[in-house]
Amino acid sequence: KNQVEQSPQSLIILEGKNCTLQCNYTVSPFSNLRWYKQDTGRGPVSLTIMTFSENTKSNGRYTATLDADTKQSSLHITASQLSDSASYICVVTDQGAQKLVFGQGTRLTINP
Amino acid sequence: DAGVIQSPRHEVTEMGQEVTLRCKPISGHNSLFWYRQTMMRGLELLIYFNNNVPIDDSGMPEDRFSAKMPNASFSTLKIQPSEPRDSAVYFCASRSGQPTEAFFGQGTRLTVV
Repeated sequence: KNQVEQSPQSLIILEGKNCTLQCNYTVSPFSNLRWYKQDTGRGPVSLTIMTFSENTKSNGRYTATLDADTKQSSLHITASQLSDSASYICVVTDQGAQKLVFGQGTRLTINP
Repeated sequence: DAGVIQSPRHEVTEMGQEVTLRCKPISGHNSLFWYRQTMMRGLELLIYFNNNVPIDDSGMPEDRFSAKMPNASFSTLKIQPSEPRDSAVYFCASRSGQPTEAFFGQGTRLTVV
């Protein structure tokens, strides 16, 4: 069964600190991996998208890494801000079925 | 572009009633997705269309759920009859081919009492 597992389920850090969120997947064949940010009461918004051949991609203070061999990805947030409080969802595209397979998300809370 | 537009934003209905959720995808996008999000199960794909044709509806929970896409600019998700366990946020998303990102609407929060 294709799965995307994220850790931790929730995380609380102080404003200004860095953090790293993890995503492990078993989706195969793999097409691409996305990280989405979902603010409370809003739809998910894409942060990064990486294909099989990409190891890292940055979007401002967000940096995503991908190891296609170990089927692991991480999202690193630098110098966190209060506005970073949200759920972060890892999404892997199943190349065969063309489906998006969603992780359960990590709920990140930034405290002042 | 106004993005993916969903209506209504909130819907409260009594058990047994018919519910229709609406979605207008981004102009030019040829794929449309309906998702359901709950605290327990996260985001689940219900059905997706490619060029107005349903490609995979294996995520539709049961016959009470149906989705249509009569043209490239409009889709509906209907639940008849609704049940309390259908309470969730329903998202519509659209994209233009692979591997472009999918853009999500604001969602419809459905409460069935």
